[in-house]
Amino acid sequence: DGGITQSPKYLFRKEGQNVTLSCEQNLNHDAMYWYRQDPGQGLRLIYYSQIVNDFQKGDIAEGYSVSREKKESFPLTVTSAQKNPTAFYLCASSRTGAYNEQFFGPGTRLTVL
Amino acid sequence: AQSVAQPEDQVNVAEGNPLTVKCTYSVSGNPYLFWYVQYPNRGLQFLLKYITGDNLVKGSYGFEAEFNKSQTSFHLKKPSALVSDSALYFCAYILTGGGNKLTFGTGTQLKVEL
Repeated sequence: DGGITQSPKYLFRKEGQNVTLSCEQNLNHDAMYWYRQDPGQGLRLIYYSQIVNDFQKGDIAEGYSVSREKKESFPLTVTSAQKNPTAFYLCASSRTGAYNEQFFGPGTRLTVL
Repeated sequence: AQSVAQPEDQVNVAEGNPLTVKCTYSVSGNPYLFWYVQYPNRGLQFLLKYITGDNLVKGSYGFEAEFNKSQTSFHLKKPSALVSDSALYFCAYILTGGGNKLTFGTGTQLKVEL
């Protein structure tokens, strides 16, 4: 999984709690991404960031928040407003510029109890 | 709506036989197409991409894909399948001017049997 780490690997949350998923990369990539993976639906983009201190909503941003204070780090917070948060969450990074491939972390499996 | 489609949820192949995982696209302008592979409970790994040029693209682990504009397809192929190729395969695209924002198909589970 290259130089991208995600923690924790498994996360359990009670309904109504916010949780933060960590993503760190040492690839010196400017761009970072968060995806959600559900069975049979492929990956859907939650948020992405092309540069430090800037980020954009993806296709399913509601109920999630991010920050990008450092180039290496792009944490994702799953808030209590996310109605169905149980899923596999994947972080990725890439060089900026057009059509560069993304490198993925190993993922965090979030389960709401 | 612009999209990629993977018409088969699962493909079964005997080891040593050629394999094909299908992908068709519906994208305006020039499509920029990718294939990724995911092993169980792992992140995705990049296999190959088509941006421009030669329609036959060679990638990692002996995989290749052929871009066919008339059939709007980008099928993934390998001449001789291995049991270790068993995984979930995703086709994806980037829109013209879309930077590196990928949109994925729903995935195809490949099972290679002895």
